[in-house]
Amino acid sequence: EVQLVQSGGGFVQPGGSLKLSCEASGFSFSNYEMHWVRQPPGKGLEWVSYISSSGSTSYYTDAVRGRFTISRDNAKNSLYLQMNSLRAEDTAVYYCVRDGVFFLYWGQGTLVTVSS
Amino acid sequence: QSALTQPASVSGSPGQSIAISCTGTSSDVGSYDYVSWYQQHPGKAPKLLIYDVIKRPSGGSDRFSGSKSGNTASLTISGLQAEDEADYYCCSYTSSYTRVFGGGTKLTVL
Repeated sequence: EVQLVQSGGGFVQPGGSLKLSCEASGFSFSNYEMHWVRQPPGKGLEWVSYISSSGSTSYYTDAVRGRFTISRDNAKNSLYLQMNSLRAEDTAVYYCVRDGVFFLYWGQGTLVTVSS
Repeated sequence: QSALTQPASVSGSPGQSIAISCTGTSSDVGSYDYVSWYQQHPGKAPKLLIYDVIKRPSGGSDRFSGSKSGNTASLTISGLQAEDEADYYCCSYTSSYTRVFGGGTKLTVL
């Protein structure tokens, strides 16, 4: 069974940093592209970032480019999102998601709240 | 990276069919057959309904179908059921190698 178990969310002040983690199991993690998708409270889904299966290629939405960094450790079956210079508008539930051009498997989501 | 355009809400009675549109541009929906659709119930993670415009994931319900014409994709739900009441999102691959979601559509089953 494919599982994506997330951790690392929480409360942070504006300008602060937070690192999200997503541990994968039930499939060969190193063979799959991964993404982060977020959803502000009461609002729609927003694609955040992509990373290739090897970790050599990544892409970001304009709103987070230069502040967020996606990475992975295939030896640990884990995906990460380092979030720096956080803003109130980054407040959202963050999901790690498996696959390339469509999203079949989703993590349980983790809430990040940015507030003073 | 503007969001794809979806109607904010649609409604229908049980047994009826409804369609949800998703309008993008020639840089996303119009250029790639990589449109997917998701259903999201409150407090839950989204669920994949349709991928590659028309394909259903294994075990998916055949009451859900997808299509595309030009820059607009559509999701049709036939034989509407109470449990279909949820939020629906489209998503497309883009020419910048990124992905873009629609703003979401709230489906109300009357």
